[in-house]
Amino acid sequence: DGGITQSPKYLFRKEGQNVTLSCEQNLNHDAMYWYRQDPGQGLRLIYYSQIVNDFQKGDIAEGYSVSREKKESFPLTVTSAQKNPTAFYLCASIGGAGANEQFFGPGTRLTVL
Amino acid sequence: KQEVTQIPAALSVPEGENLVLNCSFTDSAIYNLQWFRQDPGKGLTSLLLIQSSQREQTSGRLNASLDKSSGRSTLYIAASQPGDSATYLCAVGMVPKDSNYQLIWGAGTKLIIKP
Repeated sequence: DGGITQSPKYLFRKEGQNVTLSCEQNLNHDAMYWYRQDPGQGLRLIYYSQIVNDFQKGDIAEGYSVSREKKESFPLTVTSAQKNPTAFYLCASIGGAGANEQFFGPGTRLTVL
Repeated sequence: KQEVTQIPAALSVPEGENLVLNCSFTDSAIYNLQWFRQDPGKGLTSLLLIQSSQREQTSGRLNASLDKSSGRSTLYIAASQPGDSATYLCAVGMVPKDSNYQLIWGAGTKLIIKP
């Protein structure tokens, strides 16, 4: 089955730690995205990548970093510089018969202890 | 700057009713508009995608309309069922000048269908 997988489902971080969230897709999509979701708010774009070895900052990139070494993988690192990292993180890719239809992974909930 | 608004933030209706969810946007120069469903603690599932040249799309009991000139889209759900209970999100696709395709999101409408 084609799709997007994210791991882990739940992640706990201590103050001052960096943590990395995994996102893998087997849809052969070029573009991948990371969003942050907070209660009562719309999704906010952290980073996106149109092709391998290239990525762009979104609206709230501070305190986050990404890499895109492979087409299938787009990991997100939440660094200690991110002061309020507790949130639900969603990875997405774009493709499909309908141009620019966005597909999502199941999400990772990050909690700072 | 594009802003997307969904009203109401929450809606509770009895099972079997037909209902309409609203999405409004401030900039009519959109590329497309997409409706998603999100169950608690889960990722998003794409329901319908409307290209800017289209007026509506239908999938089963769902019908989404688009009126670019008035900056509005509606998601119509026919014969609602308890399994339709979820948060419904609207996202407007834009291609800003000197940038790449991006989605601008509404905050969602939380729908509860009472048995």
